[in-house]
Amino acid sequence: DIVMTQSPDSLAVSLGERATINCKSSQTVLSSSNNKNYLAWYQRKPGQSPKLLISWASTRESGVPDRFSGGGSGTDFTLTISSVQAEDVAVYYCHHYHSSPLTFGGGTNVEIK
Amino acid sequence: EVQLVESGGGLVQPGGSLRLSCVESGFNFRNHYMTWFRQAPGKGLEWVANINQDGSDKAYVESVKGRFTISRDNAKNSLYLQMSNLRGEDTAVYYCAGGQGWLTRYWGQGVLVTVSS
Repeated sequence: DIVMTQSPDSLAVSLGERATINCKSSQTVLSSSNNKNYLAWYQRKPGQSPKLLISWASTRESGVPDRFSGGGSGTDFTLTISSVQAEDVAVYYCHHYHSSPLTFGGGTNVEIK
Repeated sequence: EVQLVESGGGLVQPGGSLRLSCVESGFNFRNHYMTWFRQAPGKGLEWVANINQDGSDKAYVESVKGRFTISRDNAKNSLYLQMSNLRGEDTAVYYCAGGQGWLTRYWGQGVLVTVSS
């Protein structure tokens, strides 16, 4: 199984500041056949279901603000919020869909300082 | 707008059975891979099972193999999870989800399954 490890567990950021979340997979999630990273980022606000923010490690979903960006390849990935807003308070999860079983990171709780 | 609505959850005794259902509206159900995820109290998100567009390909997490069966009815825009021989560790909120291939784009609100005597 591919183990997804996120850091930090929790992050307190001032409004307008940058937030960076790290995600490391125990095996590569880069496919050699199509050179794509099978890595997604989800945002989960209190009382809601997860919302897809980023797919293929760096492709922002339609309607997602451009302050959210994803990067990395292979086994090391990041989600960056360039200027945190109040509505970004949530838990963020990385998730691989490279092979079975699909797995998630433990989540990073982003709050406002 | 995509909507996925789960039903069928509840309290069941250990060893019992339950069938979860999920009805989709707002996107082309028959064109999408469908998945069940779960989240146990105080635990992280866990993939349970998924099924391809025509139902010919299914995959399960090891802990539910032989006990859970995923299925779909494209004519009814519906996804199902038949759960049998339930254990305490199956207690969780179960989410129906869908997308392209194994990439999940849409999630339901979830349904609670409690396994307890």
